[in-house]
Amino acid sequence: GAVVSQHPSRVICKSGTSVKIECRSLDFQATTMFWYRQFPKQSLMLMATSNEGSKATYEQGVEKDKFLINHASLTLSTLTVTSAHPEDSSFYICSARDSGQGSRPQHFGDGTRLSIL
Amino acid sequence: AQKITQTQPGMFVQEKEAVTLDCTYDTSDPSYGLFWYKQPSSGEMIFLIYQGSYDQQNATEGRYSLNFQKARKSANLVISASQLGDSAMYFCAMREDTGGFKTIFGAGTRLFVKA
Repeated sequence: GAVVSQHPSRVICKSGTSVKIECRSLDFQATTMFWYRQFPKQSLMLMATSNEGSKATYEQGVEKDKFLINHASLTLSTLTVTSAHPEDSSFYICSARDSGQGSRPQHFGDGTRLSIL
Repeated sequence: AQKITQTQPGMFVQEKEAVTLDCTYDTSDPSYGLFWYKQPSSGEMIFLIYQGSYDQQNATEGRYSLNFQKARKSANLVISASQLGDSAMYFCAMREDTGGFKTIFGAGTRLFVKA
């Protein structure tokens, strides 16, 4: 079946570091990918929609300069948390839509647990 | 604007019994999809079941069934014959089929299955 690979699964780094998270669709083309953020015991909150070959669409309240998204190919989207601070610590999870599957559900990566010290 | 509501923060069920997790939604888009996902403590999102807004019959996938009541805008998940491994967080989600196919999630329901 379709698989989305997200890497790394866990990151621990110092405040001020920039962290890049990759999201790859392994056996399908994904013109659209989505980035979510999940705080402990809370729901997934959509941060942005990543569109291949164009600028990402950010949800209200999400800082585009803080969370840089690049979707340079049909199988790869990256999220870079720039100059991360402890309040950016969270679980980040991506999903990809198989554009050839019509109404079928998105496929999720396994998430990245980001801890900023 | 799309909205999805899960009013049960936590639910308990006895092993081997059935349980219903509630979900209501609101959208002005006539074409949409409704989903249920399971999230165990490890964090991955496991797709359980899908219901399209134009589907005439309720979706079923093994022990999971979706009680779709379009007029009431509800999409409750029914888990039959609960197992200990069903203990997890369950999220209801909705995707509008126009405007970018964004999927938004409800607040979630934590299910505890008792032996």
